Amino acid sequence: ETGVTQTPRHLVMGMTNKKSLKCEQHLGHNAMYWYKQSAKKPLELMFVYSLEERVENNSVPSRFSPECPNSSHLFLHLHTLQPEDSALYLCASSQDLSVTGMNTEAFFGQGTRLTVV
Amino acid sequence: AQKVTQAQTEISVVEKEDVTLDCVYETRDTTYYLFWYKQPPSGELVFLIRRNSFDEQNEISGRYSWNFQKSTSSFNFTITASQVVDSAVYFCALSEAQTLSGNTPLVFGKGTRLSVIA
Repeated sequence: ETGVTQTPRHLVMGMTNKKSLKCEQHLGHNAMYWYKQSAKKPLELMFVYSLEERVENNSVPSRFSPECPNSSHLFLHLHTLQPEDSALYLCASSQDLSVTGMNTEAFFGQGTRLTVV
Repeated sequence: AQKVTQAQTEISVVEKEDVTLDCVYETRDTTYYLFWYKQPPSGELVFLIRRNSFDEQNEISGRYSWNFQKSTSSFNFTITASQVVDSAVYFCALSEAQTLSGNTPLVFGKGTRLSVIA
């Protein structure tokens, strides 16, 4: 199994739908992230969870709702999205600084390609 | 505030040519980390290298080499004798020193799309 697994790989949803993206990491890390990658834009950090607590929310609209039930799993719940929310959503994990004392690299999943119609 | 600039949006080279991908960063911290990631068509970001701000030694790993120069705030990436499999989007990223939360997420540049033509 790869280190960080995201499901589904592709998702098409209507603006009134509710769906969830799932991320699972098998690396023993204790920090997990959601990034959004839109065309012609830098990777945008959305949420950070460290030791299962949300430590950062980068002004993300409330139609995106993250959940981190344990250190291995991260969800992104979606509801009433807009077409401009169509993007590649990437999950990543790393070892939290407070544990290792150094910035470790983040490992990424393959992403979920989301299309909102 | 931290910022990463990759001025080259797209580069095309012929196989076996050398190619350098530029990265310029901005940060107020004296302690920071720089990264390069590769994103092949499959989508996942593959970690290539991490460099901390106190280590300016250049690094070589096979056909890959990195040139870190604090004086110009640059962390450039060179691929020697490029191959078709090198075709991907390459991202440079910066992580500053520890915040109160103990976590410093990566800030990415916009990426450079490299196409290597056979």
